[in-house]
Amino acid sequence: DTAVSQTPKYLVTQMGNDKSIKCEQNLGHDTMYWYKQDSKKFLKIMFSYNNKELIINETVPNRFSPKSPDKAHLNLHINSLELGDSAVYFCASSPAGQGTRGTQYFGPGTRLTVL
Amino acid sequence: GESVGLHLPTLSVQEGDNSIINCAYSNSASDYFIWYKQESGKGPQFIIDIRSNMDKRQGQRVTVLLNKTVKHLSLQIAATQPGDSAVYFCAENIDSGYSTLTFGKGTMLLVSP
Repeated sequence: DTAVSQTPKYLVTQMGNDKSIKCEQNLGHDTMYWYKQDSKKFLKIMFSYNNKELIINETVPNRFSPKSPDKAHLNLHINSLELGDSAVYFCASSPAGQGTRGTQYFGPGTRLTVL
Repeated sequence: GESVGLHLPTLSVQEGDNSIINCAYSNSASDYFIWYKQESGKGPQFIIDIRSNMDKRQGQRVTVLLNKTVKHLSLQIAATQPGDSAVYFCAENIDSGYSTLTFGKGTMLLVSP
């Protein structure tokens, strides 16, 4: 009965590869997010989708492309991976009617290591 | 003392003590604030929130204080337990359509038995 789930939990890959991280929430929320947490634990919003539509894109390289096939899923595809992409990526969701306000429920994170 | 490895402010307390974690937020237009707890290897977890029309809100063993004059937020944890050991983040939000949560730097709380 996991609320927000991400796969994979760990991802180790070579520079230049393309990879995807998947996120699913079973909370019935309309809004989903991707965050990046660096090695200093700094947490920064990357994208936000509301009901499958992109509403926030925070100065993220266009190598990162989110895709929302339905409102329960928000996947993150990364092209041409770079060393600086190594981080923990968190998916989150929040209830309908609150937009990006209110409680956000976070997934367990995906630790991406680029070699 | 400061955790050199992660460069996070660190608060070390004994079990049973009260803990106070502080946060200075950046935007005077922010009107909604949340505290999150992040345990090792897990995602942030909601603890408590407060709106700008309040200066204090209490939960179970936790209290959040808001001082808008100096843009300061604090989280008080009563009778701290080893299970409270985690990184704590404050986050701020502005009610202007679709706005983002801006997270603070984080404070590591270490509770010794």
